Amino acid sequence: SSELTQDPAVSVALGQTVRITCQGDSLRSYVTSWYQQKPGQAPVVVMYGKNIRPSGIPDRFSGSSSGNTASLTITGAQAEDEADYYCNSRGSSGDYMVFGGGTKLTVL
Amino acid sequence: QLQLQESGPGLVKPSETLSLTCTVSGGSFSSTTYCWGLNRQPPGKGLEWIGSICYSGSSYYNPSLKSRITISIDTSKNQFSLRLRSVTAADTAVYYCAREYGDVSVHRIDYWGQGTLVTVSS
Repeated sequence: SSELTQDPAVSVALGQTVRITCQGDSLRSYVTSWYQQKPGQAPVVVMYGKNIRPSGIPDRFSGSSSGNTASLTITGAQAEDEADYYCNSRGSSGDYMVFGGGTKLTVL
Repeated sequence: QLQLQESGPGLVKPSETLSLTCTVSGGSFSSTTYCWGLNRQPPGKGLEWIGSICYSGSSYYNPSLKSRITISIDTSKNQFSLRLRSVTAADTAVYYCAREYGDVSVHRIDYWGQGTLVTVSS
């Protein structure tokens, strides 16, 4: 099992708000980045650092962190947000990276 | 626009060595700001970070794979490479080359290759 834990699946009604979480002890010390992956495509970074959105990522995506939990929030989810989402941070010793198991987001 | 391209055999026999080369074009390969990494994704499963190497030559490996992997860099060719020894069917995956922004406080993987499927089978 991964050092970072994510819920396997989450669903949200179109236009509503959804929070995807990532838990792990290393998150108390290190920042998290978030990746969106659609079927057959490479992942794309949607959030990193302390709530930094890369250019081109809609502002309905936001990030936060508290204690051992990092969160990616989508405010007003759109159909095109349906995808797998992965968190990534450093492992417990700090000298390697680790992904969470991923969360499949369904937009109803 | 930075591009990363994976190249290597699509089929590897069990117990042999998987070799994958990543070629970087369209951007700065020699900057100390970035490290160059590899990730993989078994069919239908999640992402796994394999390791990365920085321009300085420092390398970092997934502890679960460390005994079997070597990542090297060839700055003259703008390439970095993975060697994964003693492969089994569990190593069957799409392998992605990627660029990592190295600073700890704003670390992210900001560019990915398209990925290449490597199957381990006799």
